[in-house]
Amino acid sequence: GENVEQHPSTLSVQEGDSAVIKCTYSDSASNYFPWYKQELGKRPQLIIDIRSNVGEKKDQRIAVTLNKTAKHFSLHITETQPEDSAVYFCAATGSNDYKLSFGAGTTVTVRA
Amino acid sequence: DTAVSQTPKYLVTQMGNDKSIKCEQNLGHDTMYWYKQDSKKFLKIMFSYNNKELIINETVPNRFSPKSPDKAHLNLHINSLELGDSAVYFCASRLQGANTEAFFGQGTRLTVV
Repeated sequence: GENVEQHPSTLSVQEGDSAVIKCTYSDSASNYFPWYKQELGKRPQLIIDIRSNVGEKKDQRIAVTLNKTAKHFSLHITETQPEDSAVYFCAATGSNDYKLSFGAGTTVTVRA
Repeated sequence: DTAVSQTPKYLVTQMGNDKSIKCEQNLGHDTMYWYKQDSKKFLKIMFSYNNKELIINETVPNRFSPKSPDKAHLNLHINSLELGDSAVYFCASRLQGANTEAFFGQGTRLTVV
C-alpha cells in the first residue's frame, strides 16, 4: 500500500522567514497530493493540493511542488506569521484512489 | 450547515465497555473513512467505505466494527474497550476518483479509563 514519509517532524522558524516541509511517497500510481493544516484541538483542513499533471502550484504565501520522477513533494510557506503555527500533514492517494494516506505530520512553530 | 458531523465530541468510558461513534456527511460523497489520531498526532487510516461497501481495513482489531447503513453515514462500534484505544477518532469523506480533498469531522476524543 501507499507509504508517505514526511520531514521534519518539528520546525521552528522566526516570523517572516520561510518554512519548507518535504514528503516522499511509494506508489508511483499516486496522482493526488493534498496538504492539511491542523490547529490545536481542531480538525485537519485542506490548505493546498496538487495533482500529478502539475509540477507546482501557488496560493498567496503557500506553494507546493511535485517531482513525480523522484516521488517527492514539498510545501513552502513564505513570510511566516504566528497564525501559521500548527501541525501540517502531507497526504497521497493510492493507485485506486480509495486510500488517502498521511505523513506523520510536522509541528511548525513561528517565533514572534 | 455542517459538512461532516460526528457524535459524540467527547467520550469517557471504562475498560471493557462497548461504545459507538456516529458520522454523517451531507456533501454527496461516496467514500467515507475512519482515522485514528494518537498522542503523537499521526493520522492512521482504519477503514474506508465506498457506496456502503468496505474497501479498506487496515489491520484493525476486530473489536472495531464499522457500519455504513447508507453512503451518507459511517458509524464505528468498538467492543471491549482497552486503554490503548484512547485517541481522537476522525471521520472523513470525499468523492472517489475525482482527485479531490477529504473533509473531516470535528473528531471524537475517546478516553478509556
